[in-house]
Amino acid sequence: QITLKESGPTLVKPTQTLTLSCTFSGFSLSTAGVGVGWIRQPPGKALEWLAHIYWGDDKRYSSSLKSRLTITKDTSKNEVVLTMTNMDPVDTATYYCAHVRYGSGCFDSWGQGTLVSVSS
Amino acid sequence: DIQMTQSPSSLSASVGDRLTITCRASQSISNFVNWYQQKPGKPPKLLIYAASSLQSGVPSRFSGSGSGTDFTLTISSLQPEDFATYYCQQSYGTSTLTFGGGTKVEIK
Repeated sequence: QITLKESGPTLVKPTQTLTLSCTFSGFSLSTAGVGVGWIRQPPGKALEWLAHIYWGDDKRYSSSLKSRLTITKDTSKNEVVLTMTNMDPVDTATYYCAHVRYGSGCFDSWGQGTLVSVSS
Repeated sequence: DIQMTQSPSSLSASVGDRLTITCRASQSISNFVNWYQQKPGKPPKLLIYAASSLQSGVPSRFSGSGSGTDFTLTISSLQPEDFATYYCQQSYGTSTLTFGGGTKVEIK
């Protein structure tokens, strides 16, 4: 059974850097065909894909946020970390991590999400 | 980037209705479309992947079709637990991914 859990601050100030962790079980990021992605959802709005990373350390980023995002993995800890720089109130959202099925590029298991608010 | 235009943005329907939601891609994406259901306060749930493949455990009243630029999600007979928001997502080339704007299905 695949499980994922997001953790990180619930409140950040404008211009600060957000660091979110996704810890998971039920799969290994050292296994071919495995990936983990990040998706966010502002309150009452649609889903927005941010980034994903595959077992071979192949990384992809949203074009509109690429300059602000970094995704890394720690295979030994079963953890994926997303950093987003220069946070703004418009970045207030629930941030989800999810297991990516390589090939179809679908997100077949999701964490419960963590709400991050950006406010001074 | 590939854009996904989903329609309608909302609809009202009754239990037992047949429902169709559409997604149009800004360029041809073969069958690289996935569909999700999201209920309030919950993460999305994968329903359909690769345009028409039913995810394990998902009821057979859900189906997907399409190829190229036009895709549909159909619910053959709407059940009370199906009132939710539905999203399409393109994964063409698995380089950059995009979600549609969502369709909220409400009770008539």
